Amino acid sequence: GESVGLHLPTLSVQEGDNSIINCAYSNSASDYFIWYKQESGKGPQFIIDIRSNMDKRQGQRVTVLLNKTVKHLSLQIAATQPGDSAVYFCAESWGNKLVFGAGTILRVKS
Amino acid sequence: DAGVTQSPTHLIKTRGQHVTLRCSPISGHKSVSWYQQVLGQGPQFIFQYYEKEERGRGNFPDRFSARQFPNYSSELNVNALLLGDSALYLCASSLEGGRAIDEQFFGPGTRLTVL
Repeated sequence: GESVGLHLPTLSVQEGDNSIINCAYSNSASDYFIWYKQESGKGPQFIIDIRSNMDKRQGQRVTVLLNKTVKHLSLQIAATQPGDSAVYFCAESWGNKLVFGAGTILRVKS
Repeated sequence: DAGVTQSPTHLIKTRGQHVTLRCSPISGHKSVSWYQQVLGQGPQFIFQYYEKEERGRGNFPDRFSARQFPNYSSELNVNALLLGDSALYLCASSLEGGRAIDEQFFGPGTRLTVL
């Protein structure tokens, strides 16, 4: 069925450390994946995306890794800052809709 | 430029009532999608509209309906409200429709509380 899940519901990291948020997806036919950040009281904000013909993509301080063999997606945030505290969702594209996971709370300790 | 706007920001209704939520996409975007986000969960797809036509529907009952206007704004209607309809309703706009592969920009959402 439709499911995109996360291994860790809450992640606490020290400011300046690197963060890794993991996600498992279920549809092996999915060809597009997105990470969103959602702060309290706001809608999801696009962070980075990756297509299934890639296994790694880098942005500013963020890297997404895709392992299609085990249907696993991860988001790496370098030098985590207090402003990175939020809920992070992975989502996969099923035709014309996005299927979201439950989310991981990232807490950054100063 | 303004992003996706939604109104109202908050709404309180009682069971059995009807509600209409509104969304204005980013200027130039022709597609609007609606999502329901229950507290503690990820958003769940409800509808996608492109050029005023429904292009996708999620697993929601017929109490949920939507439409898109010539100016590409959209309304989500929910009839016979249930307690379980309490959620954040998100609208997302994208340039084109037909594939979610087109980047979707989310609005701030409407917080609906059903008592």
